[in-house]
Amino acid sequence: DAGVIQSPRHEVTEMGQEVTLRCKPISGHNSLFWYRQTMMRGLELLIYFNNNVPIDDSGMPEDRFSAKMPNASFSTLKIQPSEPRDSAVYFCASSPRTSDPYNEQFFGPGTRLTVL
Amino acid sequence: AQTVTQSQPEMSVQEAETVTLSCTYDTSESDYYLFWYKQPPSRQMILVIRQEAYKQQNATENRFSVNFQKAAKSFSLKISDSQLGDAAMYFCAYRSANTNAGKSTFGDGTTLTVKP
Repeated sequence: DAGVIQSPRHEVTEMGQEVTLRCKPISGHNSLFWYRQTMMRGLELLIYFNNNVPIDDSGMPEDRFSAKMPNASFSTLKIQPSEPRDSAVYFCASSPRTSDPYNEQFFGPGTRLTVL
Repeated sequence: AQTVTQSQPEMSVQEAETVTLSCTYDTSESDYYLFWYKQPPSRQMILVIRQEAYKQQNATENRFSVNFQKAAKSFSLKISDSQLGDAAMYFCAYRSANTNAGKSTFGDGTTLTVKP
């Protein structure tokens, strides 16, 4: 398996623009997680899905952020409108079984977002 | 809410020597899981080792081992025979055994430098 795939790897945009980050989890995995990593706040969980259903979005910072998982093999994280403080590395991770918290989370390579 | 604290922002070790990274956590739960992740400069998050709270035996994975002290809520990572490739940021993470909890809580990370 290719692992978790994220695109783009780097994104530079201007304030006010819409940004869409994409994630393809590992085939067969039931859980998907979106994280944000910054120097100031460390690694934060934004939202996670089990079987394509959003379970906990309490980490989503504002209404400007939205995430979807239309099917088991694809998820998006959208920021509209983007702001400079959204600049961060965004990670997507997936894990095999919803019912087992011991499961390893497999992380993608991340998307480095810069909002000018 | 659970918290994870890594009190050492930076550590350094001489190649072939042993280093211990500290992690403490706060929880009211009795059943949970603990993880150490490695993030090299490539940004890819990689699971190093994991521990089940109900197991008294400390987990080991080759040169990596943990010292799990449940009463003290401490979960340190020991790296033996350090190699240049061990240089990375290391994150300690907590995950509830409650299958409805799902999400992990991460510490702020410790940057490990390995000196040749």
